[in-house]
Amino acid sequence: KNEVEQSPQNLTAQEGEFITINCSYSVGISALHWLQQHPGGGIVSLFMLSSGKKKHGRLIATINIQEKHSSLHITASHPRDSAVYICAVWADKLIFGTGTRLQVFP
Amino acid sequence: DAGVIQSPRHEVTEMGQEVTLRCKLISGHNSLFWYRQTMMRGLELLIYFNNNVPIDDSGMPEDRFSAKMPNASFSTLKIQPSEPRDSAVYFCASSFRVGTGELFFGEGSRLTVL
Repeated sequence: KNEVEQSPQNLTAQEGEFITINCSYSVGISALHWLQQHPGGGIVSLFMLSSGKKKHGRLIATINIQEKHSSLHITASHPRDSAVYICAVWADKLIFGTGTRLQVFP
Repeated sequence: DAGVIQSPRHEVTEMGQEVTLRCKLISGHNSLFWYRQTMMRGLELLIYFNNNVPIDDSGMPEDRFSAKMPNASFSTLKIQPSEPRDSAVYFCASSFRVGTGELFFGEGSRLTVL
């Protein structure tokens, strides 16, 4: 079993839909990162969380340390949100989830 | 600041050749990470440095791989000799604080070993 699990692995949505991507981990962590990678592209850091909730534009990330769970929400999704979203936790080194591939159709 | 800069962006080489990938950190950052991404294994941490010192190299596949930070703003990842299974995209990232600082990634170096 991977130390960092993401769900779903693949997600399709219509433009405007509310999207949730989940990340569960089994190790003690000091921080959790949400990353975005567009097809053929580089990796961009969206959020770094150690507690609570953060919001940036249409993106919201939450973390529950007790339940070892984080969610990434996208409100009013848009085709340009189509990308792979990767959860990574810091536990003396960075451990990556396998990613969630999101496709948003017009 | 121009961000994390990696070179080359693309490299095609033959098996057995030496490959050197380069990374320039963002000014003021003191942590440097090298990652590898393949379709089969996703993203993997190879090695990371804090204040120029290698902290964890447990992800380095084997002795053919080596990484250095000759100064606070520059790092190299060397593969000698290269093998076809080393074909991947290699990313470096820097941060102002190990673990709990935001990560800034370079655009990656796509390596193909024939």
